[in-house]
Amino acid sequence: QITLKESGPTLVKPTQTLALTCTFSGFSLTSGVGVGWVRQPPGKALEWLGLIFWNDDFRYSPSLKSRLTITKDTSKNQVVLTMTNMVPVDTGTYFCAHTRYTYGFGYFDNWGQGTPVTVSS
Amino acid sequence: QSVLAQPPSASGTPGQRVTISCSGSSSNIGTNFLYWYQLLPGTAPKLLIYRNNQRPSGVPDRFSGSRSGTSASLAISGLRSEDEADYYCATWDDGLRGVVFGGGTKLTVL
Repeated sequence: QITLKESGPTLVKPTQTLALTCTFSGFSLTSGVGVGWVRQPPGKALEWLGLIFWNDDFRYSPSLKSRLTITKDTSKNQVVLTMTNMVPVDTGTYFCAHTRYTYGFGYFDNWGQGTPVTVSS
Repeated sequence: QSVLAQPPSASGTPGQRVTISCSGSSSNIGTNFLYWYQLLPGTAPKLLIYRNNQRPSGVPDRFSGSRSGTSASLAISGLRSEDEADYYCATWDDGLRGVVFGGGTKLTVL
């Protein structure tokens, strides 16, 4: 059974850096597997942030790539999302999700429960 | 404004068939696979359809997807009260070089 869980601060101040960890079980970051990040601002639509694959191939949202870094620690079954220079519009629920390269970008078949992040001074 | 256009709302009565549209362009839907997600209040998104019309195991066959040109649609037949949720389409955009989501459609079961 695949499970993912996001963890990190629920409150960050403007200009600070956000670091969220996705800890997963039931799969390994081996051939063909990846983890992606998606967020949802309150009352708004889902927004894709980025993803990383088993082979360190990665993709970032073009509008956020200057602020985003996604890394993996295969030995710990974790993927970390780092977002710099946080601003209030970054407030929302952040999800990590399991993906498979062969099913195309946009394919996320198992999701974490999400973690709320508020950006406020 | 989302790259993929969805109607903000849809509704139907129990047992009815409803469809939700997703309109894009040649750089996204016209070229790449389309996915549909269901968001129930307070829960994580659930993959309903992948590769335009494939259902993951466990998704009822009441849900079906189709794609034609630069548009796609999600059909839900035999509507049930538990289908009341937000639905999102998603795909890769070659021009933007990123995954794009539609604006979401709130389905109400009357």
